[in-house]
Amino acid sequence: QVQLQQWGAGLLKPSETLSLTCAVYGGSFSDYSWSWIRQPPGKGLESIGEIHHSGSTTYNPSLKSRVTMSVDTSKNQFSLKLTAVTAADTAVYYCAKEADPDGSFFDYWGQGTLVTVSS
Amino acid sequence: DIVMTQSPDSLAVSLGERATINCKSSQSVLYSSNNKNYLAWYQQKPGQPPKLLIYWASTRKSGVPDRFNGSGSGTDFTLTISSLQAEDVAVYYCQQYFSTLDTFGQGTKLEIK
Repeated sequence: QVQLQQWGAGLLKPSETLSLTCAVYGGSFSDYSWSWIRQPPGKGLESIGEIHHSGSTTYNPSLKSRVTMSVDTSKNQFSLKLTAVTAADTAVYYCAKEADPDGSFFDYWGQGTLVTVSS
Repeated sequence: DIVMTQSPDSLAVSLGERATINCKSSQSVLYSSNNKNYLAWYQQKPGQPPKLLIYWASTRKSGVPDRFNGSGSGTDFTLTISSLQAEDVAVYYCQQYFSTLDTFGQGTKLEIK
């Protein structure tokens, strides 16, 4: 059984950097890609990007200039950094596991972290 | 980007009755080389992350009750709950993973009538 546990700061000021980490327990970390998805309060889901265990990344073009994802295979962890946050970045951020090497759908999710950007 | 549009935005169905949620993509998500539709369905309850129900448009994830069924191809897809149970109250999302940037529908809120 795969479990994803995520953590990071929940309250940021405008222009600060959002930083979240997701630890993967169970399963094979190296067989899959790992993603970050966010959900503004009361709204729908938006993919931020994905990272393969090799470190290769794909980012949402709308966020690409501000996003960096990294992976630590020794700890089975992956991380998200989003720079220069604004109120528009307020959302619940989820980490997720891609279920199939051929398809970017998600079978396991972290518990979610509410990140609020406010001065 | 491929835009996913769900209908209706909200739906109220009586217990035991059928619930039908539609999802339309702005371009086909059928990959001709493998004849697979790159379309998934999720259920999200308040305060929880989404839960995968269906992938490849019609493959039910192990452990998902068989009252949940996905159908459709190309640009038009449907999630059907054959006999609504109280625990099915949730928001349902479709997702396309055909393009490099996967995108979600806006969600359909399902309630009990």
